[in-house]
Amino acid sequence: DTAVSQTPKYLVTQMGNDKSIKCEQNLGHDTMYWYKQDSKKFLKIMFSYNNKELIINETVPNRFSPKSPDKAHLNLHINSLELGDSAVYFCASSRQGAGNTIYFGEGSWLTVV
Amino acid sequence: SQQGEEDPQALSIQEGENATMNCSYKTSINNLQWYRQNSGRGLVHLILIRSNEREKHSGRLRVTLDTSKKSSSLLITASRAADTASYFCATDEYGGSQGNLIFGKGTKLSVKP
Repeated sequence: DTAVSQTPKYLVTQMGNDKSIKCEQNLGHDTMYWYKQDSKKFLKIMFSYNNKELIINETVPNRFSPKSPDKAHLNLHINSLELGDSAVYFCASSRQGAGNTIYFGEGSWLTVV
Repeated sequence: SQQGEEDPQALSIQEGENATMNCSYKTSINNLQWYRQNSGRGLVHLILIRSNEREKHSGRLRVTLDTSKKSSSLLITASRAADTASYFCATDEYGGSQGNLIFGKGTKLSVKP
């Protein structure tokens, strides 16, 4: 059983489009995250939600809007896609509290053309 | 700003040899974690070492932490071709937001059969 699952795995879309990436975790965790990995493999946190409440919102364009309908789901919606948004987006989850292991999904490869 | 810096950036060894990867960081931490990423896949958590620990083992993995030098090392003994992957260290900053791991750029390990 997949612990953190995200869809789609691959997404190719044109500039200016709006797209969403969905994420679900079945680990019973309270906290979920979105990380972005750029072409140089550098991984950086974008957002963190704890029990559906936004905890971390790093410097990310407001074209990116996370939505957490319940604590098992954290979706990422991106408006007006730009070429520079091309990256791998990873959803992740952990138990509440500092120092807990973070479990990552398989990633969603977004290519904007 | 980027916290962890892995060294070397790339490492190529023969099966059966040991692989050592190093990580340096800049601020005080709660813990340091090592992750593996196979090509085209998500990150898999390998091991977590807390700031009050100096060494930890898990199977063929040995991690050390020197908080005075702000550095950690990951040793993989008796490497196998299946160990080929990128390895990332990630720090959980003291006083930082929960789950805001700061990742390095990774060491790309290639184990030749």
